[in-house]
Amino acid sequence: LAKTTQPISMDSYEGQEVNITCSHNNIATNDYITWYQQFPSQGPRFIIQGYKTKVTNEVASLFIPADRKSSTLSLPRVSLSDTAVYYCLVGDFNRDDKIIFGKGTRLHILP
Amino acid sequence: EPEVTQTPSHQVTQMGQEVILRCVPISNHLYFYWYRQILGQKVEFLVSFYNNEISEKSEIFDDQFSVERPDGSNFTLKIRSTKLEDSAMYFCASSEGLAGVDEQFFGPGTRLTVL
Repeated sequence: LAKTTQPISMDSYEGQEVNITCSHNNIATNDYITWYQQFPSQGPRFIIQGYKTKVTNEVASLFIPADRKSSTLSLPRVSLSDTAVYYCLVGDFNRDDKIIFGKGTRLHILP
Repeated sequence: EPEVTQTPSHQVTQMGQEVILRCVPISNHLYFYWYRQILGQKVEFLVSFYNNEISEKSEIFDDQFSVERPDGSNFTLKIRSTKLEDSAMYFCASSEGLAGVDEQFFGPGTRLTVL
Protein backbone atom coordinates (compact mmCIF):
# COMPACT_ATOMS: atom_id res chain seq x y z
CA LEU A 1 0.00 0.00 0.00
CA ALA A 2 1.49 3.30 -1.09
CA LYS A 3 2.00 5.90 1.62
CA THR A 4 0.00 9.08 1.20
CA THR A 5 0.59 12.58 2.52
CA GLN A 6 -2.12 15.23 2.75
CA PRO A 7 -2.60 18.43 4.75
CA ILE A 8 -3.77 17.93 8.30
CA SER A 9 -6.41 20.62 8.09
CA MET A 10 -7.91 23.24 5.81
CA ASP A 11 -10.39 26.06 6.23
CA SER A 12 -12.59 27.48 3.51
CA TYR A 13 -15.77 29.49 3.13
CA GLU A 14 -19.20 28.53 1.91
CA GLY A 15 -19.57 28.79 -1.84
CA GLN A 16 -15.85 28.40 -2.52
CA GLU A 17 -14.18 25.62 -4.46
CA VAL A 18 -11.92 23.53 -2.26
CA ASN A 19 -8.95 21.56 -3.55
CA ILE A 20 -7.24 19.01 -1.34
CA THR A 21 -4.01 17.61 -2.69
CA CYS A 22 -2.54 14.26 -1.75
CA SER A 23 0.93 13.05 -2.60
CA HIS A 24 1.69 9.39 -3.21
CA ASN A 25 5.20 9.24 -4.61
CA ASN A 26 5.46 5.45 -4.39
CA ILE A 27 2.25 4.67 -6.25
CA ALA A 28 2.46 1.39 -8.18
CA THR A 29 1.11 0.50 -11.60
CA ASN A 30 -1.85 -1.44 -10.21
CA ASP A 31 -2.85 1.17 -7.63
CA TYR A 32 -6.10 3.11 -7.76
CA ILE A 33 -6.60 6.42 -5.92
CA THR A 34 -9.68 6.65 -3.76
CA TRP A 35 -11.11 9.37 -1.53
CA TYR A 36 -13.39 8.86 1.43
CA GLN A 37 -15.25 11.38 3.58
CA GLN A 38 -16.09 11.00 7.26
CA PHE A 39 -18.50 13.10 9.25
CA PRO A 40 -18.23 13.08 13.06
CA SER A 41 -19.57 9.88 14.65
CA GLN A 42 -20.29 8.30 11.26
CA GLY A 43 -18.56 5.70 9.16
CA PRO A 44 -16.41 6.79 6.22
CA ARG A 45 -18.18 7.24 2.91
CA PHE A 46 -16.76 6.74 -0.56
CA ILE A 47 -16.53 9.94 -2.61
CA ILE A 48 -14.60 9.20 -5.77
CA GLN A 49 -12.00 6.94 -7.32
CA GLY A 50 -9.66 7.24 -10.28
CA TYR A 51 -6.65 5.79 -12.00
CA LYS A 52 -5.44 8.62 -14.22
CA THR A 53 -6.45 11.98 -15.73
CA LYS A 54 -9.76 13.32 -14.46
CA VAL A 55 -12.82 11.75 -12.94
CA THR A 56 -15.99 13.64 -12.09
CA ASN A 57 -19.17 12.62 -10.34
CA GLU A 58 -22.08 14.48 -8.78
CA VAL A 59 -20.09 15.20 -5.63
CA ALA A 60 -16.51 15.93 -6.63
CA SER A 61 -13.77 15.83 -9.23
CA LEU A 62 -10.48 14.03 -8.99
CA PHE A 63 -7.47 15.27 -10.93
CA ILE A 64 -4.54 12.94 -11.43
CA PRO A 65 -1.44 14.11 -13.34
CA ALA A 66 0.35 11.88 -15.81
CA ASP A 67 2.99 10.71 -13.31
CA ARG A 68 0.25 9.79 -10.81
CA LYS A 69 2.47 10.84 -7.89
CA SER A 70 -0.23 13.13 -6.58
CA SER A 71 -3.95 13.70 -6.87
CA THR A 72 -6.30 16.57 -6.12
CA LEU A 73 -9.82 16.24 -4.82
CA SER A 74 -11.92 19.19 -5.89
CA LEU A 75 -15.17 20.05 -4.12
CA PRO A 76 -17.17 22.67 -6.03
CA ARG A 77 -19.07 25.35 -4.10
CA VAL A 78 -18.77 23.87 -0.63
CA SER A 79 -21.39 24.30 2.06
CA LEU A 80 -21.24 24.01 5.85
CA SER A 81 -22.29 20.36 5.52
CA ASP A 82 -19.04 19.56 3.72
CA THR A 83 -17.18 19.99 7.01
CA ALA A 84 -15.61 16.57 7.48
CA VAL A 85 -12.40 14.60 7.36
CA TYR A 86 -11.27 13.61 3.87
CA TYR A 87 -9.03 10.60 3.36
CA CYS A 88 -6.84 9.90 0.34
CA LEU A 89 -6.13 6.20 -0.14
CA VAL A 90 -4.07 4.28 -2.66
CA GLY A 91 -4.69 0.58 -3.25
CA ASP A 92 -3.88 -2.32 -5.56
CA PHE A 93 -6.99 -3.61 -7.32
CA ASN A 94 -5.53 -7.05 -7.71
CA ARG A 95 -4.43 -7.55 -4.16
CA ASP A 96 -5.63 -5.25 -1.41
CA ASP A 97 -8.57 -6.37 0.64
CA LYS A 98 -8.33 -3.70 3.31
CA ILE A 99 -8.17 0.06 3.58
CA ILE A 100 -5.40 1.65 5.60
CA PHE A 101 -6.59 5.07 6.65
CA GLY A 102 -4.19 7.90 7.35
CA LYS A 103 -5.06 10.88 9.48
CA GLY A 104 -6.86 12.57 6.59
CA THR A 105 -7.51 16.26 6.04
CA ARG A 106 -9.89 17.94 8.42
CA LEU A 107 -11.85 20.41 6.30
CA HIS A 108 -13.67 23.15 8.13
CA ILE A 109 -16.15 25.25 6.16
CA LEU A 110 -16.88 28.67 7.57
CA PRO A 111 -20.05 30.71 6.91
CA GLU B 1 -30.26 2.40 -1.60
CA PRO B 2 -28.82 -0.66 0.14
CA GLU B 3 -26.88 -0.01 3.30
CA VAL B 4 -24.84 -1.75 5.96
CA THR B 5 -26.58 -1.89 9.33
CA GLN B 6 -25.06 -2.40 12.76
CA THR B 7 -26.47 -3.23 16.16
CA PRO B 8 -26.41 -2.07 18.83
CA SER B 9 -25.64 1.58 18.23
CA HIS B 10 -24.14 1.84 21.70
CA GLN B 11 -22.90 -0.91 24.00
CA VAL B 12 -21.70 -0.39 27.54
CA THR B 13 -19.91 -3.25 29.26
CA GLN B 14 -17.72 -4.01 32.22
CA MET B 15 -14.04 -4.80 31.76
CA GLY B 16 -13.53 -8.52 31.29
CA GLN B 17 -16.96 -9.15 29.82
CA GLU B 18 -17.58 -10.58 26.36
CA VAL B 19 -19.32 -8.46 23.75
CA ILE B 20 -20.68 -9.31 20.33
CA LEU B 21 -21.14 -6.57 17.78
CA ARG B 22 -23.48 -7.34 14.93
CA CYS B 23 -23.53 -6.23 11.33
CA VAL B 24 -25.69 -6.96 8.32
CA PRO B 25 -23.63 -6.30 5.19
CA ILE B 26 -25.16 -5.45 1.82
CA SER B 27 -26.66 -8.65 0.46
CA ASN B 28 -24.66 -9.21 -2.74
CA HIS B 29 -21.32 -8.22 -1.24
CA LEU B 30 -18.61 -10.78 -0.83
CA TYR B 31 -15.99 -9.01 1.28
CA PHE B 32 -16.57 -7.97 4.88
CA TYR B 33 -14.51 -5.88 7.26
CA TRP B 34 -14.28 -4.54 10.76
CA TYR B 35 -12.56 -1.28 11.60
CA ARG B 36 -12.35 0.66 14.82
CA GLN B 37 -11.84 4.30 15.67
CA ILE B 38 -10.78 5.42 19.10
CA LEU B 39 -12.19 8.85 19.89
CA GLY B 40 -10.20 11.55 18.13
CA GLN B 41 -7.96 9.11 16.30
CA LYS B 42 -7.84 7.62 12.84
CA VAL B 43 -9.84 4.68 11.54
CA GLU B 44 -7.91 1.43 12.08
CA PHE B 45 -8.31 -1.77 10.10
CA LEU B 46 -9.02 -4.86 12.21
CA VAL B 47 -9.93 -7.73 9.91
CA SER B 48 -11.17 -8.67 6.47
CA PHE B 49 -13.30 -11.74 5.73
CA TYR B 50 -13.96 -13.49 2.44
CA ASN B 51 -15.31 -16.88 1.49
CA ASN B 52 -16.05 -17.72 5.11
CA GLU B 53 -12.57 -17.14 6.37
CA ILE B 54 -10.31 -14.35 7.54
CA SER B 55 -8.28 -13.05 4.62
CA GLU B 56 -6.23 -10.51 6.53
CA LYS B 57 -5.97 -9.16 10.05
CA SER B 58 -4.05 -6.42 11.78
CA GLU B 59 -1.88 -6.56 14.88
CA ILE B 60 -4.82 -5.22 16.87
CA PHE B 61 -6.88 -8.31 16.03
CA ASP B 62 -5.37 -10.63 18.62
CA ASP B 63 -6.73 -13.78 20.25
CA GLN B 64 -9.35 -11.76 22.11
CA PHE B 65 -11.10 -10.99 18.84
CA SER B 66 -13.01 -13.29 16.54
CA VAL B 67 -15.38 -12.88 13.60
CA GLU B 68 -18.13 -15.04 12.30
CA ARG B 69 -20.73 -15.12 9.56
CA PRO B 70 -23.18 -17.45 11.26
CA ASP B 71 -26.14 -17.45 8.89
CA GLY B 72 -25.26 -15.94 5.52
CA SER B 73 -26.53 -12.50 6.39
CA ASN B 74 -25.02 -11.44 9.72
CA PHE B 75 -21.37 -10.71 10.32
CA THR B 76 -20.26 -10.50 13.93
CA LEU B 77 -17.25 -9.30 15.87
CA LYS B 78 -16.70 -10.86 19.28
CA ILE B 79 -14.38 -9.51 21.91
CA ARG B 80 -13.91 -12.23 24.51
CA SER B 81 -12.64 -10.26 27.49
CA THR B 82 -12.93 -6.54 27.01
CA LYS B 83 -10.29 -4.09 28.18
CA LEU B 84 -10.60 -0.39 28.86
CA GLU B 85 -8.61 0.33 25.71
CA ASP B 86 -11.21 -1.48 23.58
CA SER B 87 -13.50 1.51 24.03
CA ALA B 88 -13.99 2.83 20.52
CA MET B 89 -16.38 3.16 17.62
CA TYR B 90 -16.48 -0.10 15.66
CA PHE B 91 -17.41 0.08 12.00
CA CYS B 92 -18.45 -2.81 9.82
CA ALA B 93 -17.99 -2.50 6.07
CA SER B 94 -18.65 -4.59 2.99
CA SER B 95 -17.71 -4.49 -0.67
CA GLU B 96 -18.47 -6.41 -3.84
CA GLY B 97 -14.83 -6.89 -4.70
CA LEU B 98 -11.38 -6.17 -3.40
CA ALA B 99 -10.96 -2.94 -1.44
CA GLY B 100 -8.25 -1.73 -3.77
CA VAL B 101 -10.75 -1.00 -6.49
CA ASP B 102 -14.24 -1.51 -5.12
CA GLU B 103 -16.04 0.96 -2.91
CA GLN B 104 -16.41 -0.13 0.69
CA PHE B 105 -19.76 0.64 2.28
CA PHE B 106 -19.51 1.43 5.97
CA GLY B 107 -22.17 0.98 8.59
CA PRO B 108 -23.11 3.67 11.11
CA GLY B 109 -20.93 2.09 13.79
CA THR B 110 -21.31 0.71 17.29
CA ARG B 111 -19.93 2.81 20.09
CA LEU B 112 -18.39 0.44 22.65
CA THR B 113 -17.74 1.79 26.11
CA VAL B 114 -15.78 -0.42 28.50
CA LEU B 115 -16.01 0.57 32.16
